[in-house]
Amino acid sequence: SQKIEQNSEALNIQEGKTATLTCNYTNYSPAYLQWYRQDPGRGPVFLLLIRENEKEKRKERLKVTFDTTLKQSLFHITASQPADSATYLCALRSYGGATNKLIFGTGTLLAVQP
Amino acid sequence: DSGVTQTPKHLITATGQRVTLRCSPRSGDLSVYWYQQSLDQGLQFLIQYYNGEERAKGNILERFSAQQFPDLHSELNLSSLELGDSALYFCASSATLGEEKLFFGSGTQLSVL
Repeated sequence: SQKIEQNSEALNIQEGKTATLTCNYTNYSPAYLQWYRQDPGRGPVFLLLIRENEKEKRKERLKVTFDTTLKQSLFHITASQPADSATYLCALRSYGGATNKLIFGTGTLLAVQP
Repeated sequence: DSGVTQTPKHLITATGQRVTLRCSPRSGDLSVYWYQQSLDQGLQFLIQYYNGEERAKGNILERFSAQQFPDLHSELNLSSLELGDSALYFCASSATLGEEKLFFGSGTQLSVL
């Protein structure tokens, strides 16, 4: 069956360190993968998109990698700050058959300690 | 502010009842998506509309239905409500059918008692 897996355990790191979050998927052939940030009681906010033919994407302190062989994306936040504390969701859109929708992982809660 | 408006923000109702959730997409966006988020299930895709037509369906229950109107706003109707329907319901919009990034509203918190 199709699955998108993110580490369900919260990730606790110290301010200034690099946070690395993982997204693994099975039985998908994603055209692209996205990362969103969600704060409590709020809707997800788009952060980055990486396509199947791209290995890495950067935006300010954020970096995303995409390995279609390993079926994995890594999301990095460098020089993390307490304001980065939130739940981070990966999402992918797969094309083929009737599947043409954006599917989300369950998210990983990041807590950055001052 | 994403530009996507959802009403109401909170809804408390009883089992067996029917409710309607409303969504106004960002100005100019033609595609509307509905998602359900609960603690144990994460963000689950329900249904997508594009310019008034249904384009993709997820794990939407038969008790649930949606539509998108000519002015592009959308409504999600939930009927014969059960305790397990309690969740946060999000609407999102995008400019076109294949547009990659979604803009989410703040959600409607539904509590079924």
